[in-house]
Amino acid sequence: AQSVTQLGSHVSVSEGALVLLRCNYSSSVPPYLFWYVQYPNQGLQLLLKYTSAATLVKGINGFEAEFKKSETSFHLTKPSAHMSDAAEYFCAVTGTGNQFYFGTGTSLTVIP
Amino acid sequence: DTAVSQTPKYLVTQMGNDKSIKCEQNLGHDTMYWYKQDSKKFLKIMFSYNNKELIINETVPNRFSPKSPDKAHLNLHINSLELGDSAVYFCASSPRSGGNSDTQYFGPGTRLTVL
Repeated sequence: AQSVTQLGSHVSVSEGALVLLRCNYSSSVPPYLFWYVQYPNQGLQLLLKYTSAATLVKGINGFEAEFKKSETSFHLTKPSAHMSDAAEYFCAVTGTGNQFYFGTGTSLTVIP
Repeated sequence: DTAVSQTPKYLVTQMGNDKSIKCEQNLGHDTMYWYKQDSKKFLKIMFSYNNKELIINETVPNRFSPKSPDKAHLNLHINSLELGDSAVYFCASSPRSGGNSDTQYFGPGTRLTVL
């Protein structure tokens, strides 16, 4: 079975500070992992995904994530937060038939 | 051009009514999905169709019935609406069935409010 756990349902950072959103996964098979962002009243947009090609994955808007098998983690980072990064972030792992298992989401607030 | 579109964006209705939400994708994808996002933002898959064939049917009440007239469309019909059906419903598509590394592309969502 596949699942993800996102630690911290709410994260606040100052503008210009490091963003770190945590995701730990559980998977009975080699996982494919995704980070999506949801802006208010919008659908989900892919930030980046891990498909076993490289452990450090770079995505859009300056975000990146590192796959660490030993820690079963896929944390999302960005060196310097912008006001426009305020949104809900979802980590997901795929199971059979490309079924996504989403985490419960992390709401990011950026303080000016 | 909108890749995955849903109509309507907002739907307010009374308990007991029947309503439909439509979804269309112009990406040429084979697989389409319906997700429900509850008030706590939790996203859960409801259905998945591949080339008009149902492949995932999670534990969803029988009042929910997906219909796929062709592989570009996946509609969701809900009978006898209940208060607990209030949520945001997202449609999504991906290139192929079983493509575990495939990105899913999401529509803008339909906010359903049952009074």
